[in-house]
Amino acid sequence: QVQLVESGGGVVQPGTSLRLSCAASGFIFNDYAMHWVRQAPGKGLEWVALISYDGRYKNFADSVRGRFTISRDKFKNMVYLQMSSLRSDDTGIYYCARNLVGAVDPVYFDYWGQGTLVTASS
Amino acid sequence: DIQMTQSPSSVSASVGDRVTITCRASQVINSWLAWYQQKPGKAPKLLIYAASSLQSGVPSRFSGSGSGTDFTLTISSLQPEDFATYYCQQANSFPLTFGGGTKVEIK
Repeated sequence: QVQLVESGGGVVQPGTSLRLSCAASGFIFNDYAMHWVRQAPGKGLEWVALISYDGRYKNFADSVRGRFTISRDKFKNMVYLQMSSLRSDDTGIYYCARNLVGAVDPVYFDYWGQGTLVTASS
Repeated sequence: DIQMTQSPSSVSASVGDRVTITCRASQVINSWLAWYQQKPGKAPKLLIYAASSLQSGVPSRFSGSGSGTDFTLTISSLQPEDFATYYCQQANSFPLTFGGGTKVEIK
């Protein structure tokens, strides 16, 4: 069965960096675009970043563009979110999610991980 | 950016009730819309995509309708496991955006 397992969250000081990882299994990883979606404590959902199935296309929310990067390793079936210049409003649960279809659009998130908590606080 | 507005923000209902949640987009998104269910402490779950297509494994009491800017999620007969928060999401253009959520509570 499809599984997405995030890791790498933690408590960090504002202005520092953190890398999140997502381990994918149970499907042909190289056929699907992948995403990161976050949720601030007690708040709604916010799409963060997308990477295409082959890693050639990436897109980001304006709130993280220039600070976050997304990458994938086709041999390890992993997706990464490198976060830098973290701010307090980056605090939240970060979910890794799979695209329903192999292309980059339309984007519907059909499988989600359990999430990893990032807290940027001094 | 496309703004997604859900109403109501919360609704109290009883088991067996018919519940309707609406989502309005700030511009035309054709049928590029999804609905998700999220329970406390859990990841969201895809219920409906392309406005009215039921995701595999989702009970048929869930249905979606609409196109253009106005959309509806209907739960035909509310079950105990349906008490949760529901979000709409537009897939028309980047940045992808979600509605603010509708919490379905026990009456």
